[in-house]
Amino acid sequence: DVKVTQSSRYLVKRTGEKVFLECVQDMDHENMFWYRQDPGLGLRLIYFSYDVKMKEKGDIPEGYSVSREKKERFSLILESASTNQTSMYLCASSLAEYEKLFFGSGTQLSVL
Amino acid sequence: AQSVTQLDSQVPVFEEAPVELRCNYSSSVSVYLFWYVQYPNQGLQLLLKYLSGSTLVKGINGFEAEFNKSQTSFHLRKPSVHISDTAEYFCAVTRTGTASKLTFGTGTRLQVTL
Repeated sequence: DVKVTQSSRYLVKRTGEKVFLECVQDMDHENMFWYRQDPGLGLRLIYFSYDVKMKEKGDIPEGYSVSREKKERFSLILESASTNQTSMYLCASSLAEYEKLFFGSGTQLSVL
Repeated sequence: AQSVTQLDSQVPVFEEAPVELRCNYSSSVSVYLFWYVQYPNQGLQLLLKYLSGSTLVKGINGFEAEFNKSQTSFHLRKPSVHISDTAEYFCAVTRTGTASKLTFGTGTRLQVTL
């Protein structure tokens, strides 16, 4: 089965730090996504990528950037972490359009 | 832009009882609809999806959903729930032609008790 691996389950950072969240998928999927999940707000799309070096903004890209240098890896970058970025971050991948998303287990980020 | 409303944030139900989790969407164009489930401390996984064809869609673990275009709804049902169905359920929608850019609802927490 497809495996989507997020590098950290829990992460604690200080305000102003640069934060990298890493995601790797092992099934040669074209599409990769970063969501954040907050209680009462559901999942909101931050960025997605349809190919290496391609990226598109989602619904809430402010304060974030992404990098996809290799097909299997999609990184989310918080240039200067702020307390309102404390959240659960979920990475996902899919083979093609309208195919199901495979999600990682998530990274709970706390910014103090 | 499309949006999704999950009317119930929590649904308590006894084991072996039927359950319906409600989902309504808003979009001015054709949509595809999905239900995902998130078990405690796990990532989301797909339960079922509606792309076209029969409006009654069957998914994994005995769940099914019915697409109702006139009522813009996609309610999830199971005739008899089990303790292991305790999880959070998310409805999601995407406009046709926008690939997999899903808009998720706020989720419904299904709590099954004995």
